[in-house]
Amino acid sequence: GESVGLHLPTLSVQEGDNSIINCAYSNSASDYFIWYKQESGKGPQFIIDIRSNMDKRQGQRVTVLLNKTVKHLSLQIAATQPGDSAVYFCAENIGNTGKLIFGQGTTLQVKP
Amino acid sequence: GAGVSQSPSNKVTEKGKDVELRCDPISGHTALYWYRQRLGQGLEFLIYFQGNSAPDKSGLPSDRFSAERTGESVSTLTIQRTQQEDSAVYLCASSSIGGRFNEQFFGPGTRLTVL
Repeated sequence: GESVGLHLPTLSVQEGDNSIINCAYSNSASDYFIWYKQESGKGPQFIIDIRSNMDKRQGQRVTVLLNKTVKHLSLQIAATQPGDSAVYFCAENIGNTGKLIFGQGTTLQVKP
Repeated sequence: GAGVSQSPSNKVTEKGKDVELRCDPISGHTALYWYRQRLGQGLEFLIYFQGNSAPDKSGLPSDRFSAERTGESVSTLTIQRTQQEDSAVYLCASSSIGGRFNEQFFGPGTRLTVL
């Protein structure tokens, strides 16, 4: 069935390094993707989104890359900080209602 | 309020009991979503409201689950005859209008534990 999944369950990086979190999706008709950050005990927080007519989108310290050929999405975080420690989810927007399909999540651990 | 609020924050119940979970969306947001998050998992879509109608209920796992919404305000998710597999965090989100490309703002969730 349709699914959005993540390659690595846990990523550990040194403070100041760049982080890359990957995501694969299976529905080739998907045309909108979102990255969320979830801290312990909180709801997901929007980070950045990208539509399928784009390959790259940049925000503050974050970049999302979309490769539609291999159905792959990545989130790059520059100069990772301790406050970036959280679980990161990619999500796929299905249909016109805004219904989101989430991957399982990657835990990002930042070592000081 | 400034964001989406949910109550209670934690709920412990016995198997077979009914529970009601409440969501207060951001004022003025017409779209409201319920998701379920099992431990260590991503979120699973349950139901979508546009106003007080629910055009997409496809994620409700069984007829023990139901939800309603009053106008463009509060929503209640009800789980009847709770089972241990219902234990999860239930998250609510709202967006200014429904549909794709509209950011969903999430509440902190209600952690449900069924003993």
